Amino acid sequence: DAGVIQSPRHEVTEMGQEVTLRCKPISGHDYLFWYRQTMMRGLELLIYFNNNVPIDDSGMPEDRFSAKMPNASFSTLKIQPSEPRDSAVYFCASSSPTGPRNTIYFGEGSWLTVV
Amino acid sequence: AQKVTQAQTEISVVEKEDVTLDCVYETRDTTYYLFWYKQPPSGELVFLIRRNSFDEQNEISGRYSWNFQKSTSSFNFTITASQVVDSAVYFCALSEAHDSGGGADGLTFGKGTHLIIQP
Repeated sequence: DAGVIQSPRHEVTEMGQEVTLRCKPISGHDYLFWYRQTMMRGLELLIYFNNNVPIDDSGMPEDRFSAKMPNASFSTLKIQPSEPRDSAVYFCASSSPTGPRNTIYFGEGSWLTVV
Repeated sequence: AQKVTQAQTEISVVEKEDVTLDCVYETRDTTYYLFWYKQPPSGELVFLIRRNSFDEQNEISGRYSWNFQKSTSSFNFTITASQVVDSAVYFCALSEAHDSGGGADGLTFGKGTHLIIQP
């Protein structure tokens, strides 16, 4: 079975540009999470969805960040405008409350560099 | 608020040695889940194990074993006869069950332990 699929794997962009990261969760999973990993702050939960509805976005750093989940098989994380401090690895993850219960599977990450 | 502490920032051992990675957690919930993930140099996060708070039975999977002790709020991970391929950053994480369905509430991660296995 396909795992969580993220794109792009690597992105280098200039400060001020819009960045869109994409995620396809595992089929049948009804929870989707966006995490950010940096050296300074480690792995942080940004936002998560249940059945396409945002449940908790308290981890979103500021208004420049937005996330959507228009359907069960697709989510985006957008940064507009991007800043150098947004450089990080962004992970998408999904899980299902039915077996294996609450196991959260991660994508391979999107490595973002803002110059 | 929940918190996960991995006090060991980096551990270096020689191949074939046993090594234990420590994890201590804090939570107010009585129902919660504990996880270990491995992040190899390639960067992906690989799921290793999930434990719920009602199951304190220790688990063994090949060279890996986990010791869950609620009395000390610890969930330690031991690798027996370590191998160079075990070199990675290992994360302990906690998730609280926020509803009766046990839906995942998102993971709180520790800072990770960088394990170096020298040949």
